[in-house]
Amino acid sequence: EAGVAQSPRYKIIEKRQSVAFWCNPISGHATLYWYQQILGQGPKLLIQFQNNGVVDDSQLPKDRFSAERLKGVDSTLKIQPAKLEDSAVYLCASSFDNTYNEQFFGPGTRLTVL
Amino acid sequence: QQQVKQSPQSLIVQKGGISIINCAYENTAFDYFPWYQQFPGKGPALLIAIRPDVSEKKEGRFTISFNKSAKQFSLHIMDSQPGDSATYFCAAPPNSGNTPLVFGKGTRLSVIA
Repeated sequence: EAGVAQSPRYKIIEKRQSVAFWCNPISGHATLYWYQQILGQGPKLLIQFQNNGVVDDSQLPKDRFSAERLKGVDSTLKIQPAKLEDSAVYLCASSFDNTYNEQFFGPGTRLTVL
Repeated sequence: QQQVKQSPQSLIVQKGGISIINCAYENTAFDYFPWYQQFPGKGPALLIAIRPDVSEKKEGRFTISFNKSAKQFSLHIMDSQPGDSATYFCAAPPNSGNTPLVFGKGTRLSVIA
């Protein structure tokens, strides 16, 4: 079974620039999550999708972050404009549904904002 | 947001020893307690999970002990091996039945020979 795919793996940008991350979840998984993991901390949920609808985006900084999951499969997370404090690893995860099922994480995208 | 508080922040254990990581939670509605393991450059992966209807769950060398009255749960790694060196996160869903997990800050385990 193929895992969760993410790209790019690494990205370095200047502050105030924009950046986009892509995620392809495990086939058949209805629920997709984007987490932000700052160095030395646990992952923090940014947004949760159920199919192509948003379930929880309460911790997404909506003035600069946006995410979409068209057709209920792939998802993109965008930051515009980036700030220094956005430097982190952005993890995508998927699960079969939004109940107590294992979340499978991708390898993450390491973003450095200079 | 409801939190899970994890300790210690880092842990060094001799090969063959027992590694113990603790987690305390606040919300009594939490009803699913997973532990995730993360190696450098990788995403977290589910290691073991427990529901509060049991006090202990064992899978190989890994055991979760759950104390509902104290609102604590812990991970025990028996016969720790260098390959167990990783960061471990406890987690819980903030709302019963839903799974946007709230993670602890992590424990970096180093198993030395």
